Amino acid sequence: EAQVTQNPRYLITVTGKKLTVTCSQNMNHEYMSWYRQDPGLGLRQIYYSMNVEVTDKGDVPEGYKVSRKEKRNFPLILESPSPNQTSLYFCASRSAGPSYEQYFGPGTRLTVT
Amino acid sequence: QQQVKQSPQSLIVQKGGISIINCAYENTAFDYFPWYQQFPGKGPALLIAIRPDVSEKKEGRFTISFNKSAKQFSLHIMDSQPGDSATYFCAASFSGSARQLTFGSGTQLTVLP
Repeated sequence: EAQVTQNPRYLITVTGKKLTVTCSQNMNHEYMSWYRQDPGLGLRQIYYSMNVEVTDKGDVPEGYKVSRKEKRNFPLILESPSPNQTSLYFCASRSAGPSYEQYFGPGTRLTVT
Repeated sequence: QQQVKQSPQSLIVQKGGISIINCAYENTAFDYFPWYQQFPGKGPALLIAIRPDVSEKKEGRFTISFNKSAKQFSLHIMDSQPGDSATYFCAASFSGSARQLTFGSGTQLTVLP
């Protein structure tokens, strides 16, 4: 089954404790992205990647890091989480071809206290 | 800077009625306009999309109307059903852009039985 998986689905942590949210896709997609979803703000792009070792900032990259060492994986790293990073996070992927459909993961609910 | 503005924030419709959600964009370089549907606890999923060379696209009960001169597009859900109750996001993107999508703020649709 074609899918984007994220782990963990739920995470409660404390300010300053480094964490990683993993994302993996099995569709051989070139493009991958991370978004955060907040009430009244929709989905805002954090970082995106066009292929292995190629990443760039989205609209709200502050406080986040990413890496793309393998085509299928695109982890999101919070080196020193703060309460304003409490949010619902989605990973997404799409092919570089003519279809622009993005496939989203199930989401990770992060709470930073 | 919010490049895609969506309204209303919430919408309540009776079963069988027509649901209408509107979006306006600012950047005339956008040339791909999808609508995503999100159920609670799930990631967004592509519902229907349009390119600016057509003024309307219909798929089943869902129709996108596009007004290029006004820089507006809307989603119409005919014969709305309780199963349509979800959050709907409009979005916009550039052809060939790896930067992915710019989303509206979302509309929470409730269809009463």
